Amino acid sequence: GESVGLHLPTLSVQEGDNSIINCAYSNSASDYFIWYKQESGKGPQFIIDIRSNMDKRQGQRVTVLLNKTVKHLSLQIAATQPGDSAVYFCAENPYGQNFVFGPGTRLSVLP
Amino acid sequence: EAQVTQNPRYLITVTGKKLTVTCSQNMNHEYMSWYRQDPGLGLRQIYYSMNVEVTDKGDVPEGYKVSRKEKRNFPLILESPSPNQTSLYFCATMGGDGYTFGSGTRLTVV
Repeated sequence: GESVGLHLPTLSVQEGDNSIINCAYSNSASDYFIWYKQESGKGPQFIIDIRSNMDKRQGQRVTVLLNKTVKHLSLQIAATQPGDSAVYFCAENPYGQNFVFGPGTRLSVLP
Repeated sequence: EAQVTQNPRYLITVTGKKLTVTCSQNMNHEYMSWYRQDPGLGLRQIYYSMNVEVTDKGDVPEGYKVSRKEKRNFPLILESPSPNQTSLYFCATMGGDGYTFGSGTRLTVV
């Protein structure tokens, strides 16, 4: 598969543990945020989104938290599985402008 | 199935030889975009299109051209490729749930 980020921050977690991936965004005008998962050899895939009028949103095994005060976004993955191994990155959407993507974090799930 | 299809998946070419990477979507989305992805730099936007016959530069447009003659297709054209355009390229459309990406095109310019 393709290597999408040779110099990314890496998070290693034990299978079954919870994972927390963090993202600092830059534009206080951003009002929509998305987390993407990118597996080796594939394009980024939508995981979960959140709008700026919320501070928490839950999906299946995933939760996104938004702290607008410090411009921080986190993705929590419950009971991490080997299939969760991938690069995760956040995207912010300043109102009326294009999405800006973060550089990503590589999640490695240890057996 | 909603899809963004890019071709080719892999391409090795020589400096200066014009090439086109095709992108096609079946979701009837108006917005389409091209990104390049390089180690440590994340996704950087090359060009985007809000609708047919409407294209705009992204963050790194130099050395690239695009066209949007019809809604479903958004080809990326490199008139004279150079080694610094060696990268992983993604086409994407945007709908109500954010982006849908293609599978990527690995381009190597030697």
